[in-house]
Amino acid sequence: DAKTTQPTSMDCAEGRAANLPCNHSTISGNEYVYWYRQIHSQGPQYIIHGLKNNETNEMASLIITEDRKSSTLILPHATLRDTAVYYCIVSFNKLVFGAGTILRVKS
Amino acid sequence: GAVVSQHPSRVICKSGTSVKIECRSLDFQATTMFWYRQFPKQSLMLMATSNEGSKATYEQGVEKDKFLINHASLTLSTLTVTSAHPEDSSFYICSASDITGGRSPLHFGNGTRLTVT
Repeated sequence: DAKTTQPTSMDCAEGRAANLPCNHSTISGNEYVYWYRQIHSQGPQYIIHGLKNNETNEMASLIITEDRKSSTLILPHATLRDTAVYYCIVSFNKLVFGAGTILRVKS
Repeated sequence: GAVVSQHPSRVICKSGTSVKIECRSLDFQATTMFWYRQFPKQSLMLMATSNEGSKATYEQGVEKDKFLINHASLTLSTLTVTSAHPEDSSFYICSASDITGGRSPLHFGNGTRLTVT
């Protein structure tokens, strides 16, 4: 599975959009980009995934660059409850977690 | 949405005993389930892939005789930590993939916190 690189931590003001970047320059053609988040002492929660097109659901939007070497997860209106560790994973089958990004939403 | 249930959510056991953790897919069938372990302030580490009706596939460095995995049905996988020691204390998390396949996302249970005294 391709490796991903994410910033260690980010801060975001409540009510503003949170944009979380992820680099995956070695992604293969059949690998999807998945985003999960984990709130303390809970199992990871699925957010969104995509192959090459941008995706949007009720939680977030996923923007994937045309060359697929990077992506951005967008939480349009961050709330305090969005404070969590966000994991960007590139995979064809099993999910291998990196260190993720600690997102702190502040009031 | 798809729900994965783990039981128990917390367990404390004495050193040398064995502990079984259950992972169930409640509203879908899963041919494949995954087991992870997470130590404090660290990311999830994949331990093994559990396949219904066949032997589990373990990641490098994970002892298969210590972490016994059974996936007897399309909705249940179990992880047994045998002869547990304090260093096995961790947060164990399972995930499952819908049998319909494609690239449907994995759904995770809420984890089992194991404390070995």
